[in-house]
Amino acid sequence: AQSVTQLDSHVSVSEGTPVLLRCNYSSSYSPSLFWYVQHPNKGLQLLLKYTSAATLVKGINGFEAEFKKSETSFHLTKPSAHMSDAAEYFCGATKTSYDKVIFGPGTSLSVIP
Amino acid sequence: KAGVTQTPRYLIKTRGQQVTLSCSPISGHRSVSWYQQTPGQGLQFLFEYFSETQRNKGNFPGRFSGRQFSNSRSEMNVSTLELGDSALYLCASSEGTGVKEQYFGPGTRLTVT
Repeated sequence: AQSVTQLDSHVSVSEGTPVLLRCNYSSSYSPSLFWYVQHPNKGLQLLLKYTSAATLVKGINGFEAEFKKSETSFHLTKPSAHMSDAAEYFCGATKTSYDKVIFGPGTSLSVIP
Repeated sequence: KAGVTQTPRYLIKTRGQQVTLSCSPISGHRSVSWYQQTPGQGLQFLFEYFSETQRNKGNFPGRFSGRQFSNSRSEMNVSTLELGDSALYLCASSEGTGVKEQYFGPGTRLTVT
């Protein structure tokens, strides 16, 4: 069965320093992978997606993620954190458009001024 | 294009009552998925509808049901409400084919007293 793990429930960084949010998936195939961000009392917003094209994916707001099949990972990074990046981040995976998206438990990102 | 809309945004119900939530997807999208989000359980998948048919189902009791209309709008119903049903209910729409890129609505905050 497919599963998604987000290794850190909470990450805290200083403004202007790099962000790394970790995501690992477990499946017998190469899934489509997604990162979403959720600000307080809002719905989820798609940051970026991987769909078996380029392994390094660039998203909105300066975020990017790299798909590493050998490590079954899809970690989210940003070179320099901004206060507005403070939010909850969810990693998701799905086999095809006909299957449900499996989400990880989420990582709460705090940005310290 | 207009985004995903959900109504109502906030709802307070009493235990034992029933509730109906509505979701209007992005124009042209034929798939609507529903999720329950709680602090302890994260994002839990309820069900997905595609072209008026339930395509995927999560592990929720039969008190949770849904449907989709010919214009792709979807409703979910919860009967015999329990205190544990208090949550943010999110719906997400996608084209239904190709990459499962989901767009989320702002959610309906349900409080059961």
